[in-house]
Amino acid sequence: GAVVSQHPSRVICKSGTSVKIECRSLDFQATTMFWYRQFPKQSLMLMATSNEGSKATYEQGVEKDKFLINHASLTLSTLTVTSAHPEDSSFYICSAGGQGVYGYTFGSGTRLTVV
Amino acid sequence: GDSVTQMEGPVTLSEEAFLTINCTYTATGYPSLFWYVQYPGEGLQLLLKATKADDKGSNKGFEATYRKETTSFHLEKGSVQVSDSAVYFCALTPFNQAGTALIFGKGTTLSVSS
Repeated sequence: GAVVSQHPSRVICKSGTSVKIECRSLDFQATTMFWYRQFPKQSLMLMATSNEGSKATYEQGVEKDKFLINHASLTLSTLTVTSAHPEDSSFYICSAGGQGVYGYTFGSGTRLTVV
Repeated sequence: GDSVTQMEGPVTLSEEAFLTINCTYTATGYPSLFWYVQYPGEGLQLLLKATKADDKGSNKGFEATYRKETTSFHLEKGSVQVSDSAVYFCALTPFNQAGTALIFGKGTTLSVSS
């Protein structure tokens, strides 16, 4: 079946630095990928939708200059948290698809801790 | 806009008890409906889905029926196991909008004790 690989699974960074999270579709091509943020004991909040080769569409309230999304190929989308601060600490999850037989496939998530 | 409402948790059950997690939705047309499960520290896994009214999704002993008249998609399992302890999310995609993001409920935590 369809597999989405998300790395790293955990990262700790210092305040003010940038962190890149990768999301790869391993055995299918993902035209569309979604990035979510999940706060403890809460639901998933959609941050942005990325389509291969075009600019990401951000949800209202999400800072596009802080959360840079790149979807340069059909198998890779990246989320870069720039100038991270402790309030950016969260669980980030990517999802690919929504079209075709594979439906939606989720990565295993990245736990970001900014200290 | 479209939305999903699911029962507040946590739900605490003994092994072999019957499980119901309520989910209702608001949407135009005929959305597709999903249940996802999230184990601690992991991403989401599709549990089951239904794409039209009266469809029943089922997997691993879990079932949910798409009820258009009550706009519901309640999750049930006849006999829960300790390994079912997780967070369960009800979700939908809007009608005829392939490739759009899932809209999630807030999640319900299930804790099963032996």
